[in-house]
Amino acid sequence: GNSVTQMEGPVTLSEEAFLTINCTYTATGYPSLFWYVQYPGEGLQLLLKATKADDKGSNKGFEATYRKETTSFHLEKGSVQVSDSAVYFCALSGGYYSSASKIIFGSGTRLSIRP
Amino acid sequence: EPEVTQTPSHQVTQMGQEVILRCVPISNHLYFYWYRQILGQKVEFLVSFYNNEISEKSEIFDDQFSVERPDGSNFTLKIRSTKLEDSAMYFCASSEGTSGNTGELFFGEGSRLTVL
Repeated sequence: GNSVTQMEGPVTLSEEAFLTINCTYTATGYPSLFWYVQYPGEGLQLLLKATKADDKGSNKGFEATYRKETTSFHLEKGSVQVSDSAVYFCALSGGYYSSASKIIFGSGTRLSIRP
Repeated sequence: EPEVTQTPSHQVTQMGQEVILRCVPISNHLYFYWYRQILGQKVEFLVSFYNNEISEKSEIFDDQFSVERPDGSNFTLKIRSTKLEDSAMYFCASSEGTSGNTGELFFGEGSRLTVL
């Protein structure tokens, strides 16, 4: 079945550092891919999404490109801020043999940014 | 900004007791979901609900679980006889369309259930 694997955390960086959080997926067909973020004490929020191969999702300085050849959707940001400290979840939905009505999440990566 | 609200934020219960977790989805949304996250583990899909019936459920969602939309605004998750392994954070979500149609899911802040 469909699955998502993302790098384990915690990831600790200094402010203004470059961020990459790796995510790979297993799915048949053409799923939609997402990054969700959970700030401390809050629910999950959609950060960005991509619905087809080579699409780039972007928001708040974060980017991720849907790479079908490597089945990846890595999250990147050129210069992180303390306010980016949160847990980041890679996720997918749809694809062949999979319902479009549910999202499958990765295990989450906790990001901490030092001032 | 519209948001999904969940109550209670934290509930502690004894094993074998019934628990009802409540959610108020965003008012014009049509699809509703429950997910759970056991501490340190993945966020897992439990059930999706559309047009007053379950549209999909996972293998986790056994006969001990049920969902209901009793009054057109609330969306509840009931666990009939809680087990220790039901201890988790339960997230409610809603969307205008299905997530596979690139519709965004809006999540509540979660209800933490602790079963003793």
